[in-house]
Amino acid sequence: EAEVAQSPRYKITEKSQAVAFWCDPISGHATLYWYRQILGQGPELLVQFQDESVVDDSQLPKDRFSAERLKGVDSTLKIQPAELGDSAMYLCASSRDRDYGYTFGSGTRLTVV
Amino acid sequence: AQRVTQPEKLLSVFKGAPVELKCNYSYSGSPELFWYVQYSRQRLQLLLRHISRESIKGFTADLNKGETSFHLKKPFAQEEDSAMYYCALGNFGNEKLTFGTGTRLTIIP
Repeated sequence: EAEVAQSPRYKITEKSQAVAFWCDPISGHATLYWYRQILGQGPELLVQFQDESVVDDSQLPKDRFSAERLKGVDSTLKIQPAELGDSAMYLCASSRDRDYGYTFGSGTRLTVV
Repeated sequence: AQRVTQPEKLLSVFKGAPVELKCNYSYSGSPELFWYVQYSRQRLQLLLRHISRESIKGFTADLNKGETSFHLKKPFAQEEDSAMYYCALGNFGNEKLTFGTGTRLTIIP
């Protein structure tokens, strides 16, 4: 069964450092999402890509967060500088165009110390 | 604004008893509702969506637009149903989902 790949699984970083996460969606899935899940809460959308274009980044803290999907395949989410409040699980998901059947990756758990 | 409310953070049910996980939503457009499940040490995965009207693993959910609810039900709980359940709201024309805070279901043997 095809999976969404994410790396790293865990990341510990110091406050004010830069950190990056990588996601490889299922082949052929045009839509890619980055969600953030703070402990005890549901996932919240950070950014949505359709191919290489950003469709929705209204909840992305653009002063410190950036996301790219240059060739419309894999994607990178970056935080610079990291803050204590960024500690969370970062989930990547993909879906076929206009198909709500999200497939989630296993996530990257970020701890900022 | 879209909002999903799952009033129960924790729910414990005896094996064989009926299960109902509550979900209420607020949305002014035409809603599309989903239930996602996360079993221990596994990824978040789609359980069911209201437009498909199918039963998955014995679970069903009916969209009640009058009460703005999409409660998840199963007549007889099984131990393997223990998991975290998230209700999610989308809208036609945009694949973005808004998730609730989740309910942790524990089935007591």
